[in-house]
Amino acid sequence: EAQVTQNPRYLITVTGKKLTVTCSQNMNHEYMSWYRQDPGLGLRQIYYSMNVEVTDKGDVPEGYKVSRKEKRNFPLILESPSPNQTSLYFCASRSSYEQYFGPGTRLTVT
Amino acid sequence: QKEVEQNSGPLSVPEGAIASLNCTYSDRVSQSFFWYRQYSGKSPELIMSIYSNGDKEDGRFTAQLNKASQYVSLLIRDSQPSDSATYLCASDSGAGSYQLTFGKGTKLSVIP
Repeated sequence: EAQVTQNPRYLITVTGKKLTVTCSQNMNHEYMSWYRQDPGLGLRQIYYSMNVEVTDKGDVPEGYKVSRKEKRNFPLILESPSPNQTSLYFCASRSSYEQYFGPGTRLTVT
Repeated sequence: QKEVEQNSGPLSVPEGAIASLNCTYSDRVSQSFFWYRQYSGKSPELIMSIYSNGDKEDGRFTAQLNKASQYVSLLIRDSQPSDSATYLCASDSGAGSYQLTFGKGTKLSVIP
């Protein structure tokens, strides 16, 4: 089954404590991306990757890092989380025709 | 700045009626357009994609594209309570681009 997985699904953490949200896809897609979704602001792209070792900033990259060492994995790193990064995060991977979303990670930073 | 605009709603329709959702986009080079359905707290799910001017039908869903007017719409026939969700419109950034710009979504409520 084609899928994008994310872990953890829920995370409550404190300001400044580094965290990583993992993302993995089994469709051999080259393109992957991260979004955050906030009420009233919609889906906003954080980072994207066109292929292994190729990443670029999206619309709201501040405070985030990514890496793409393998085609299937695209982790999102928050090195010093702040309360304004409390949000619902989605990983996605895309073929020529369709973008698949992961189930989402609800992050709360206190 | 590329923009995709949608009426936030909520749009309320009675069960069995036609729901009409609209979207405009600012980037004239956009070539691919998508409608996603998102239930509260869940991930977006692709319903329809459309690439050419005109209509595209899939079951109860019809997507319409007018590139001259930079306008995309989604019609849902015989609306069901299970169609109640937020509908997101998205467009790409032109030929070969994999980046999508999303609208903020229209919340649809189908009243039994």
